[in-house]
Amino acid sequence: GENVEQHPSTLSVQEGDSAVIKCTYSDSASNYFPWYKQELGKGPQLIIDIRSNVGEKKDQRIAVTLNKTAKHFSLHITETQPEDSAVYFCAASKSGTYKYIFGTGTRLKVLA
Amino acid sequence: DGGITQSPKYLFRKEGQNVTLSCEQNLNHDAMYWYRQDPGQGLRLIYYSQIVNDFQKGDIAEGYSVSREKKESFPLTVTSAQKNPTAFYLCPREGLGNTGELFFGEGSRLTVL
Repeated sequence: GENVEQHPSTLSVQEGDSAVIKCTYSDSASNYFPWYKQELGKGPQLIIDIRSNVGEKKDQRIAVTLNKTAKHFSLHITETQPEDSAVYFCAASKSGTYKYIFGTGTRLKVLA
Repeated sequence: DGGITQSPKYLFRKEGQNVTLSCEQNLNHDAMYWYRQDPGQGLRLIYYSQIVNDFQKGDIAEGYSVSREKKESFPLTVTSAQKNPTAFYLCPREGLGNTGELFFGEGSRLTVL
């Protein structure tokens, strides 16, 4: 079945360093890839997304890259800050549907 | 929550009881969804509805039921047949303009005692 694998499951970085989270999807028809940040006790918050017609997208300190051939996409956070500490989820979906397949999450800890 | 209201935020139930979670929207959206999240895991689709009086099973529909009698309401019933009902339940809203975006609110946390 459709699957999204996410790595690593936990990631600790020093404040100011970069963090990279990687996801691999199985359904080659997937063409929309959102990333969510979830803080304790809250629902996931959409932070950035990318569509299959684009290879890279950037928004201030966060960026997402997509390699359709390899079916990989990654989240990059530069100049990490303590408030970046949270669980991050990737997801994949296809046009015309809001049925997302989620990764299992990455717990990011930014150490001050 | 940007046009979607879920209630209650916290809910406790005894084993063997059915419980209904509410999801109401004032966005005039055709589609509504229910996702489940377990600790340390991603979200999984339970049910979705693309139009009034119609709904489809998601990946983990067993032990759940829904109805869509009104456009603005999509309640989820967690039945006694659901073996592991303790979880975080979310009813997201779509982004504007058929963008494919889903926006999640605060959700409902169900604990079975």
